Amino acid sequence: DVKVTQSSRYLVKRTGEKVFLECVQDMDHENMFWYRQDPGLGLRLIYFSYDVKMKEKGDIPEGYSVSREKKERFSLILESASTNQTSMYLCASSPSQAPYNEQFFGPGTRLTVL
Amino acid sequence: AQSVTQPDIHITVSEGASLELRCNYSYGATPYLFWYVQSPGQGLQLLLKYFSGDTLVQGIKGFEAEFKRSQSSFNLRKPSVHWSDAAEYFCAVGSNDYKLSFGAGTTVTVRA
Repeated sequence: DVKVTQSSRYLVKRTGEKVFLECVQDMDHENMFWYRQDPGLGLRLIYFSYDVKMKEKGDIPEGYSVSREKKERFSLILESASTNQTSMYLCASSPSQAPYNEQFFGPGTRLTVL
Repeated sequence: AQSVTQPDIHITVSEGASLELRCNYSYGATPYLFWYVQSPGQGLQLLLKYFSGDTLVQGIKGFEAEFKRSQSSFNLRKPSVHWSDAAEYFCAVGSNDYKLSFGAGTTVTVRA
């Protein structure tokens, strides 16, 4: 079974802190994604990566950056956390660039910024 | 750009009753369509997907969905709901890149 793990289920940070969210997948997938999930808005794509050291902006990249140094790991970075970044963050991976391939999701990290 | 609309924010259904969740998409070419389910505290799990062929698609947990191009719809159905089907359901559309666009979700409550 494909497994996508996220470093924390719950995280509480203060405004202005630098925050790292880590995601690891164990199936050698090329593609990895970071979404944020907010009530009434569904999932919105922040960043995605289709290869090591490759990244592209999604729909809402402002205030975020990412890092992919190894194929299995994709990190989301909040350089200076703000209260409007309080949200559920979901990581996903998929095995190729074909659009019809299923994305496999991690359990999510619920981030609260105080 | 593609988009997805799920008109129903919240649906309540009795256990054993049928369920239908609506999904309308906007996309210029042949869409790739997905339904995901998110149980409380969990990530998203794929229920079913459509990208060609038979317009009636069978999925896991007894769900099915029907693609209707003329109505730009991909509605999800289950003939008899179980209490464990209480969850949030997301419709998504994929295009000619590897991204998915998600609807806002429909929360399903199952009453005994």
